[in-house]
Amino acid sequence: GNSVTQMEGPVTLSEEAFLTINCTYTATGYPSLFWYVQYPGEGLQLLLKATKADDKGSNKGFEATYRKETTSFHLEKGSVQVSDSAVYFCALGYGQNFVFGPGTRLSVLP
Amino acid sequence: GAVVSQHPSRVICKSGTSVKIECRSLDFQATTMFWYRQFPKQSLMLMATSNEGSKATYEQGVEKDKFLINHASLTLSTLTVTSAHPEDSSFYICSASYLGVTETQYFGPGTRLLVL
Repeated sequence: GNSVTQMEGPVTLSEEAFLTINCTYTATGYPSLFWYVQYPGEGLQLLLKATKADDKGSNKGFEATYRKETTSFHLEKGSVQVSDSAVYFCALGYGQNFVFGPGTRLSVLP
Repeated sequence: GAVVSQHPSRVICKSGTSVKIECRSLDFQATTMFWYRQFPKQSLMLMATSNEGSKATYEQGVEKDKFLINHASLTLSTLTVTSAHPEDSSFYICSASYLGVTETQYFGPGTRLLVL
C-alpha cells in the first residue's frame, strides 16, 4: 500500500538556519507529492507540490524535488524565519487515495 | 480562488447528541469532497470520500453509521457525527476537488469538535 515517512520532530532551529525535513514514500503507480503546512490552531495550507519525477515544487523560499530513484521528496529552505514555525506534512495523492505523513513540528527561535 | 469553508469552526456538545459539520466550496463546483480526521499532535487520516449525488465511500475502520456523510450538491457536503462520545473529539477537516481526485483538492480550515 501507499505510505509516507517523515523525519521525527520536533525540529528546533535558530532564525536564518538551513532547513531540511526528510520525506520518503512507498507507492504503487505514480503519485503526486505534496508538502502542507499547518500553523497552530489552523487548517492545512498547500505549501508546494510536484506531479512527476524530477519536478521541483517551490513556494515562499521552500523547495522540494520529486526523486523517483530514491522515492523521496525532501523539503528545504535556505533561511528559516520565526514565522515558519508550524507542523509540516508530506503527502502523496493518487486518484482518490491520499496519504499524509506523520508531520514534523518545526520551531524557529529568534 | 478555490476557497473551501467549514462551519462551525468549533463545537462543544454533550455525549449522546449529534453534530453536523458543513463543508462548502465557495467559488468552484466540487465533484468530490473528502473528510479527514486529525487527533491531537497526530497526522490526518482520510475517513471517507463523497461524490456528489452518490453514497460516500468509507475507509476501512470508519463506521458509516456513526459518521454520516451527505453530498447533496456540487458545493456542499455535510458530516454528521451521530450519538457523539468523548472519543469522537477531534479536528475534522474537509477538502473539495473539482476534478474528483486528491491531486486537486483544496482544504477547509477544519472544525474542532469537543464532546463532553
